[in-house]
Amino acid sequence: DQQVKQNSPSLSVQEGRISILNCDYTNSMFDYFLWYKKYPAEGPTFLISISSIKDKNEDGRFTVFLNKSAKHLSLHIVPSQPGDSAVYFCAAVPDSSYKLIFGSGTRLLVRP
Amino acid sequence: DTAVSQTPKYLVTQMGNDKSIKCEQNLGHDTMYWYKQDSKKFLKIMFSYNNKELIINETVPNRFSPKSPDKAHLNLHINSLELGDSAVYFCASSQDHMRGAEAFFGQGTRLTVV
Repeated sequence: DQQVKQNSPSLSVQEGRISILNCDYTNSMFDYFLWYKKYPAEGPTFLISISSIKDKNEDGRFTVFLNKSAKHLSLHIVPSQPGDSAVYFCAAVPDSSYKLIFGSGTRLLVRP
Repeated sequence: DTAVSQTPKYLVTQMGNDKSIKCEQNLGHDTMYWYKQDSKKFLKIMFSYNNKELIINETVPNRFSPKSPDKAHLNLHINSLELGDSAVYFCASSQDHMRGAEAFFGQGTRLTVV
């Protein structure tokens, strides 16, 4: 029962262009969303988050958009850099819960 | 200076053995977690401790037993290892157990049961 889905296992983008990573969720009780980035042989690292009361949060080159009616969020990276090449996990936190529910990840490759 | 450290990084063992994975965080966080990344790459929470008290215990076989001697440590002991236990196990910590707190993850322990 996948409550958080990342339907694209991989994405390849040219350096300097925009990377758009997508995430869908099924549980309307989720009220906080996060993106984590993971390099090989390392643990995930927190990247950016958004509360369900907002529809956009921006931090430098990273912007997360939330569309609650569609139960969809996306991470935009612009401009993309080769160092952004990693696996990106979308995660959600249910209301009144302490745990992160992760998607299966999208592998981003930024080509020089 | 590693924030969340796990040992060992790799662990290969035979079925039926008992093994432990250790985790330590030096961030002064109150809450620690164990996550399992399965073969389909999903990260799923197993346990969470807040100030040495168990607050999350997902549907995990009772062969898995977390132990928190103090709030900086959360070890995972696994009895009678099975082939299906092969996975990458991540320890994590967060400042507190309030929902939405961003977690810091260790580098993972790749467990292979043969």
